[in-house]
Amino acid sequence: GEDVEQSLFLSVREGDSSVINCTYTDSSSTYLYWYKQEPGAGLQLLTYIFSNMDMKQDQRLTVLLNKKDKHLSLRIADTQTGDSAIYFCAESGYGIYNQGGKLIFGQGTELSVKP
Amino acid sequence: GAVVSQHPSWVICKSGTSVKIECRSLDFQATTMFWYRQFPKQSLMLMATSNEGSKATYEQGVEKDKFLINHASLTLSTLTVTSAHPEDSSFYICSARKGRQYNEKLFFGSGTQLSVL
Repeated sequence: GEDVEQSLFLSVREGDSSVINCTYTDSSSTYLYWYKQEPGAGLQLLTYIFSNMDMKQDQRLTVLLNKKDKHLSLRIADTQTGDSAIYFCAESGYGIYNQGGKLIFGQGTELSVKP
Repeated sequence: GAVVSQHPSWVICKSGTSVKIECRSLDFQATTMFWYRQFPKQSLMLMATSNEGSKATYEQGVEKDKFLINHASLTLSTLTVTSAHPEDSSFYICSARKGRQYNEKLFFGSGTQLSVL
């Protein structure tokens, strides 16, 4: 079945770049997403990438997709203490029309930003 | 932006009682809502997909008689945990899909922490 894996923890210093990695198994994934979860809160969609793209940049966020290796990464430039949160990658489990809307999430990476 | 309101934020109940969690899309119509469950330090697990006006589709291993889902209107879905037990203690999050757009975009509620004593 579909599976999404992430490392559980990442610690960086304020001002450094953070790179959070994710691997997935479903080769039919159409969209891949990054969500941010702050303590006690819901998920916030940070960004997403369509599977025919290699890279997407949105301000401090850069998403890289290696479809051949089924590897997705999220780079946060100039990481701030406010970026401390859990980051989930997710892939859509259905095909291109995605009518089901079913998302498969990774375990989440807890990002800790030290001043 | 689109807002999804989930209520209550936390609830403590006695074993054997039922708990209802509401998920509302405040400024858009959500034909599809999803219910997830999250254990501490673990990923979100999809429990069921709720379509307005029809029966929910449950994921494998999720007891539909225990987790009752009702999606009676385009802005409200409810999850009722019936005869709750301590092992049902978890963080439950709903999400709503806005329209039927080609690009998938979900909006999430703030979650409900359920503690069953």
